[in-house]
Amino acid sequence: AQSVTQPDIHITVSEGASLELRCNYSYGATPYLFWYVQSPGQGLQLLLKYFSGDTLVQGIKGFEAEFKRSQSSFNLRKPSVHWSDAAEYFCALRSNDYKLSFGAGTTVTVRA
Amino acid sequence: DAGVIQSPRHEVTEMGQEVTLRCKPISGHDYLFWYRQTMMRGLELLIYFNNNVPIDDSGMPEDRFSAKMPNASFSTLKIQPSEPRDSAVYFCASRLAGVLGEQFFGPGTRLTVL
Repeated sequence: AQSVTQPDIHITVSEGASLELRCNYSYGATPYLFWYVQSPGQGLQLLLKYFSGDTLVQGIKGFEAEFKRSQSSFNLRKPSVHWSDAAEYFCALRSNDYKLSFGAGTTVTVRA
Repeated sequence: DAGVIQSPRHEVTEMGQEVTLRCKPISGHDYLFWYRQTMMRGLELLIYFNNNVPIDDSGMPEDRFSAKMPNASFSTLKIQPSEPRDSAVYFCASRLAGVLGEQFFGPGTRLTVL
């Protein structure tokens, strides 16, 4: 069985500070991993994805994520957070049948 | 490209009423997914279609829920009869076939059952 864990329910960060969101997964095969962002009242937007190759993946809006197989992790990072980054972030794993399993999400609050 | 379109965006109904949620996937996409999002259970996959055929409906909570995809450009999720515990945001997503395809999500329908 596959699963995705986001240990942090809520993170508060100051504008301009760095941000790291944690994601751990459990899956018996090669994982396809995604990070999505959801702004209030909106659908999910894909930030980045990892399928294979380079373990450091660049995404939109200045985000990047690093895949670490030994730690079963796929953490999301941004060097300098903007107020517009306040949102909920979801890590997801796709199985071979194309189904996505989502983590519980991490809500990011940005303070001025 | 208009993206995935869902209607209505908001629906308020009374317990026992029939509710129909609608989705238009991105043109040319082969897969369509229905998700439900609640505070308690997070994002759950309800059902997905490939080329208009239901592939996996194991996430459909009970017989009150049904989904159809009569053609490549339209899908419905129906709840009959609705109950207050069905209150949630329902998302539709679509993707192209192939290993590298990503899911594109619609804006969601917020359903409130009184």
